[in-house]
Amino acid sequence: DADVTQTPRNRITKTGKRIMLECSQTKGHDRMYWYRQDPGLGLRLIYYSFDVKDINKGEISDGYSVSRQAQAKFSLSLESAIPNQTALYFCATSGQGINTEAFFGQGTRLTVV
Amino acid sequence: AQSVSQHNHHVILSEAASLELGCNYSYGGTVNLFWYVQYPGQHLQLLLKYFSGDPLVKGIKGFEAEFIKSKFSFNLRKPSVQWSDTAEYFCAVEYNFNKFYFGSGTKLNVKP
Repeated sequence: DADVTQTPRNRITKTGKRIMLECSQTKGHDRMYWYRQDPGLGLRLIYYSFDVKDINKGEISDGYSVSRQAQAKFSLSLESAIPNQTALYFCATSGQGINTEAFFGQGTRLTVV
Repeated sequence: AQSVSQHNHHVILSEAASLELGCNYSYGGTVNLFWYVQYPGQHLQLLLKYFSGDPLVKGIKGFEAEFIKSKFSFNLRKPSVQWSDTAEYFCAVEYNFNKFYFGSGTKLNVKP
């Protein structure tokens, strides 16, 4: 089984619709992240959470919200989807301190029409 | 603000050619440095990482990277690329054991 699982893997939705992307991890890490990937822009951080009670905005949080339901679960919501939110979304988790790394999910390809 | 720069956006090489991808980061305290690879249609996977010690780090699949503190650089190298190395490569920096910052990525196309 994958360390980080994202659902759905692909989604097409209409402008104005609410959509939730889900992420769960089995690494036992406290830290979780949501990134979006756009061609030529790399990965940009949307939100991150360092533990269940900690939620922080990243560099592009407008139009998004998150929920940390448990240590292992971190969901991303688009309250009212718009076409420029069409992107590849990645969830990641990491430990903390020295010798850590980020582990990524398989990604969710979201298309807003 | 912290930032990570990858200057090569698209690199095309023939098999057996040598590879060097540049990565520079802004000053911001203690840094942990990473290179990730994304094969077509797949998620990001760790190639190698640097935390401390020997600034020349060896990773998987024959890749290596050199941390040059004075230049704020962490360039990725491979002496002889293969067609299977075709992928997108991302440099990442973790500042002060905080969140990860990624570069914009370099697409590598290796011609057989």
